[in-house]
Formats: sequence, structure tokens, C-alpha cells
Amino acid sequence: EPEVTQTPSHQVTQMGQEVILRCVPISNHLYFYWYRQILGQKVEFLVSFYNNEISEKSEIFDDQFSVERPDGSNFTLKIRSTKLEDSAMYFCASSREPGGNEKLFFGSGTQLSVL
Amino acid sequence: TQLLEQSPQFLSIQEGENLTVYCNSSSVFSSLQWYRQEPGEGPVLLVTVVTGGEVKKLKRLTFQFGDARKDSSLHITAAQPGDTGLYLCAGPYNTDKLIFGTGTRLQVFP
Repeated sequence: EPEVTQTPSHQVTQMGQEVILRCVPISNHLYFYWYRQILGQKVEFLVSFYNNEISEKSEIFDDQFSVERPDGSNFTLKIRSTKLEDSAMYFCASSREPGGNEKLFFGSGTQLSVL
Repeated sequence: TQLLEQSPQFLSIQEGENLTVYCNSSSVFSSLQWYRQEPGEGPVLLVTVVTGGEVKKLKRLTFQFGDARKDSSLHITAAQPGDTGLYLCAGPYNTDKLIFGTGTRLQVFP
């Protein structure tokens, strides 16, 4: 079965540094998402992306966050100036149709640790 | 804000036992999904229930969507250690957004 791949699997950074998390969605999918999961807490929606623009974002996704699809295959999440509370597992997901009622395919995640 | 509350939060059982996990909301959902997440991995979709009262079976797992489409349950018969994981219900909120429940962490001991 096709997979969503994420790199790196682990990222350690200092508070205030910029990080870029990378994802390669499934090739024929059109809708892309970032979710995060703080340790011991539930999976939280961050942002959805379609047709090269953000279609929806949560209140977590503030000005420090941005997403980009720089080429035909990658989908990135940038955190401009990381905070301690950004430490979490970040999951990329993709789907063929809008993700509300559609099956989402998740990557294995990037564990971000902000020190 | 639509919330999905799951119960129990944690469940530790012996191999061979049966269990039921619940997902409840005060809001009506057009559908609900159940995912399983293993350590170090992303959630993997198990099933989608769409019609109120619908029952779907996946081997030893039985999923039910409430008649009013506000709740769902997952029943596992004769649990096995391979069933260990985090079980998440999820439902659509607006067109693009999937919101997740609080999760049930299941541990099945041999």
C-alpha cells in the first residue's frame, strides 16, 4: 500500500530556532494535513492544504507556523521560532478527497523536542 | 466546538477477554472513523461508520454507530496481544478537518 513518508523521524532543537518538518504525501492525493500529538494527549488538527493554499487552520496554527508545497512531491511544515510547548509528535497526512469524511493516510511522524 | 470523549482512557486485560471502547459526543456527526495507533507510528484507519445504527465487523472487532449518530463503540472479542495500541475515534468537523477523540490505550497481556 502507498505510504506517506516523513523526515526526520526525530528532531531536537533549541528554543527560538527554526525547524522544517518534511513530508512526501501519497502521489495521487490532493489534500494534505498536519496534525500534532503532545505526549499523552490527543491528536490535534493543525492545518489543511489544497490547491497550493491553506484551506483551514486551527487556533494552534499561529504566525509562527507555515506550510509549503515547494515542488510536486514535498509538503513542509515550518516553525519559525520554536517554543518549549511545540515539543510533540507531528504527523503529516494526505487524502484523495477532503479529509472530513475521507480516509486519511498518516505518516509515521516526526518527534520534535524543543530544549 | 465538537468534542469526542472516549472511555475508558486506559484498559489492561488478559488475552482472551472481551472489551468495549466508547466514543461519545453531544454533537451529531455525519460519520465516525476508528483508528489504531501503535507506538512510534501514525494512526491507521480501521473503519468508517456512516449510517445511524450501522454495525461493521472487522474480524474480531465490531464497530457500531449510534442511532442518533452522536456515539460509537468498538467491541473486541477474545483480545490478543497484537490488539495492543491506542484506539482513536475521529469525526469530521467542517469539510477538511478531522477531529480526534481523547483515545483509549489498550494493553493486552499474554
